[in-house]
Amino acid sequence: QVQLQQSGPGLVKPSQTLSLTCAISGDSVSSNSVAWNWIRQSPSRGLEWLGRTYYRSKWYNDYAVSVKSRITINPDTSKNQFSLQLNSVTPEDTAVYYCARMGGVWYFDLWGRGTLVTVSS
Amino acid sequence: QSVLTQPPSVSGAPGQRVTISCTGSSSNIGAGYDVQWYQQLPGTAPKLLIYHNNNRPSGVPDRFSGSKSGTSASLAITGLQSEDEADYYCQSYDSSLSGWVFGGGTKLTVL
Repeated sequence: QVQLQQSGPGLVKPSQTLSLTCAISGDSVSSNSVAWNWIRQSPSRGLEWLGRTYYRSKWYNDYAVSVKSRITINPDTSKNQFSLQLNSVTPEDTAVYYCARMGGVWYFDLWGRGTLVTVSS
Repeated sequence: QSVLTQPPSVSGAPGQRVTISCTGSSSNIGAGYDVQWYQQLPGTAPKLLIYHNNNRPSGVPDRFSGSKSGTSASLAITGLQSEDEADYYCQSYDSSLSGWVFGGGTKLTVL
């Protein structure tokens, strides 16, 4: 049974970096048939896809235009996990952050439990 | 303002049929990109309900069905049950944004 376990701080100060990790069990971050994503949800912005990392003989990343200048998603093959870094956060980045697997042609078939991240001083 | 437009709420009595619409544009649904539907129960992560317009993952009851036409899609739920009370979201790909987009969500109330 594939599971995604999220970890990371729930409180980040404005202008600092938000960092979250998603540990994968039952699948591989290096699988060449899936992609690993970060999605967030807030009352003001709804569900918002942030970006993904995937392996197809080499590593690729895609990022949402809205956060492209501030986001990095990295795989960690030694720990079978992937991470999210979002720089220069503001209170607008307050949201529940989910990691999710894109298991087929462009649908999210497995989600982590979510992490509420509050940006506040 | 979400790229895909859904009604904020729908309701129905137990046993009835309800539909939830999802309206997009020529850069997403109208461009031929598939539509997915997710169910989100209170306090939980979204769960895939329908993929590729009208396909159900294993374990999803056949009371749930999806359709797509032109720039819109619909989710139908027949034989409403109290446990269907949740938020429902549509999702597709948008070529103008080069990314995946969601609807604003529809809250289903079972009366």
